[in-house]
Amino acid sequence: DAGITQSPRHKVTETGTPVTLRCHQTENHRYMYWYRQDPGHGLRLIHYSYGVKDTDKGEVSDGYSVSRSKTEDFLLTLESATSSQTSVYFCAISTGGLNNSPLHFGNGTRLTVT
Amino acid sequence: GQQVMQIPQYQHVQEGEDFTTYCNSSTTLSNIQWYKQRPGGHPVFLIQLVKSGEVKKQKRLTFQFGEAKKNSSLHITATQTTDVGTYFCAGIRDYKLSFGAGTTVTVRA
Repeated sequence: DAGITQSPRHKVTETGTPVTLRCHQTENHRYMYWYRQDPGHGLRLIHYSYGVKDTDKGEVSDGYSVSRSKTEDFLLTLESATSSQTSVYFCAISTGGLNNSPLHFGNGTRLTVT
Repeated sequence: GQQVMQIPQYQHVQEGEDFTTYCNSSTTLSNIQWYKQRPGGHPVFLIQLVKSGEVKKQKRLTFQFGEAKKNSSLHITATQTTDVGTYFCAGIRDYKLSFGAGTTVTVRA
């Protein structure tokens, strides 16, 4: 959908290990986002990017970092994974900013931290 | 901070019946968006409402934005098994988008 690919689709990792999730888009859109989805919380924004090397924090950014060295790729890194970071992670893109453009989501990555 | 609340959290519906899910914000919103997520899937954009009192329809789905732009509703008529999933509203204010926790809909055939 909307040319968004997330990898891996599933990952199990141990507490304390670093983890990187990748989001790749083929649409050349400027805005990219990382969300996490947990029961009872809906979707919460972790980080977002409004261009190459331009990123900003969302509402739940602690413990996460991002990088965007190319328009098409947006990486999410958990420097030292914790059990509280067990979640489903969605990447999203939009044609414009958050004020009026809908989000198009990737298929998600299910991450389990043991 | 901006909070968007959705009620009910769960909606169990008999096939053929109507139901409504509600979205309420603590602050006035610029726009509101609605998304649907099928079980095991990803959220898919349904619609955006911008104007006070705006009403939009998509087949059996009717979306409404409140006059004060602090609440919204999604009404589904003649529920079908294809309506199963979680419906999220997302309120936009000051270039920030906040999702509600969603209403999860199950349908009894």
